[in-house]
Amino acid sequence: DIQMTQSPSTLSASVGDRVTITCRASQNINRWLAWYQQKPGKAPKILIYKASNLESGVPSRFSGSGSGTEFTLTITNLQPDDSATFYCQHYNNYPLTFGGGTKVEIK
Amino acid sequence: EVRLLESGGGLVQPGGSLRLSCAASGFTFDTTAMGWVRQAPGKGLDWVSVITGAGGGIYYADSVKGRFTISRDNSNNMVYLEMDSLRAEDTAVYYCVKRADTTYFDFWGQGTLVTVSS
Repeated sequence: DIQMTQSPSTLSASVGDRVTITCRASQNINRWLAWYQQKPGKAPKILIYKASNLESGVPSRFSGSGSGTEFTLTITNLQPDDSATFYCQHYNNYPLTFGGGTKVEIK
Repeated sequence: EVRLLESGGGLVQPGGSLRLSCAASGFTFDTTAMGWVRQAPGKGLDWVSVITGAGGGIYYADSVKGRFTISRDNSNNMVYLEMDSLRAEDTAVYYCVKRADTTYFDFWGQGTLVTVSS
């Protein structure tokens, strides 16, 4: 099974900052990676698919990069509405697995 | 507009059974893979199961294999998760999810809470 490891588990940043979240896969997943955002009490929402493709309607301050085993989600110009937990997920094969999540707090 | 509406959650005793339902609308259901993802209280996301559009491909997480059964009714745009031999560690919000082709989950329902406790 492919393990997905996210770091950091929590980060605190100010409005306007650029933040980066890392997701590492235990084996090569090519670019079969998605990023989701989840706000408290809500269902997750897709942000990025195939490592770097922005889902329709998602603000352009979100971007993704990487391939193989190392991936990043970057939020530029952090906004108060970005306070949430972010998860990566691979879909290279079964079982599908998620990273442990990164909670982003706004200072 | 895509809509996924789960139902069937509740309180059940360890060893008991429960059937979750998901009513889908707003897309071509019978060609779309569907699934379930769960989230234990205060924890991360945990994939449970996926079923392909025609129902010929079914996949489970090891943690539920042999206890949970996913199925679908393409005539009524419904997906089900039959859960047997429930354990305390199955306590979670269960989300019905739609797959974009055979890839990521592009839509999520609001979730239904399953609590396994005596």
